[in-house]
Amino acid sequence: QVQLVQSGSELKKPGASVKVSCKASGYTFTSYAMNWVRQAPGQGLEWMGWINSNTGNPTFAQGFTGRFVFSLDTSVSTAYLQISSLKAEDTAVYYCAREGANYEFDYWGQGTLVTVSS
Amino acid sequence: QSVLTQPPSVSGAPGQRVTISCTGSSSNIGAGYDVHWYQQLPGTAPKLLIYGNSNRPSGVPDRFSGSKSGSSASLAITGLQAEDGADYYCQSYDSSLRKVFGGGTKLTVL
Repeated sequence: QVQLVQSGSELKKPGASVKVSCKASGYTFTSYAMNWVRQAPGQGLEWMGWINSNTGNPTFAQGFTGRFVFSLDTSVSTAYLQISSLKAEDTAVYYCAREGANYEFDYWGQGTLVTVSS
Repeated sequence: QSVLTQPPSVSGAPGQRVTISCTGSSSNIGAGYDVHWYQQLPGTAPKLLIYGNSNRPSGVPDRFSGSKSGSSASLAITGLQAEDGADYYCQSYDSSLRKVFGGGTKLTVL
């Protein structure tokens, strides 16, 4: 069965960096795009962008350029989200989500809480 | 401000029927892009509930149904149960080459 397993919670100081992993199993990793979604505390879902799991080409939503990096390690079927120069407002749960045939997110990781606090 | 507009909250008694609307525009739902719905139970990751406007993934009860008309879509839940209390989100694609979400609707089962 398809599973996306994300890395554990992170507590970081402002200005630091964080790298969140999303390990996929149960399907051919390079056949499906991977998306990243942010959910700030008490807020809704916000699409951050996606990465082509075949080519590694990333696309970022507005507001997620510059400090955000999507990457892959296809040898271990894992996608990564890296955020640099962390700010308090980056505190959120970050989800990876596999993209289906019609732009839907058919499988989700369990989420990774990133807390930015001094 | 979300691109897709949902009511912040809806409620219903057990056994009743509730609907959640999702209003978009000519650049997303109205442009013919599919609408998808997600259920997020408290403290958990979202789960795909409806895809392609009206299709249920395996394992989703037929009490959940989706429809689309013009620039809007709706999620209907019949025979409301206590465990349906959750946040519900609609999602589509926009011609600006991005995926878009609604702001979410909190369903309270009275």
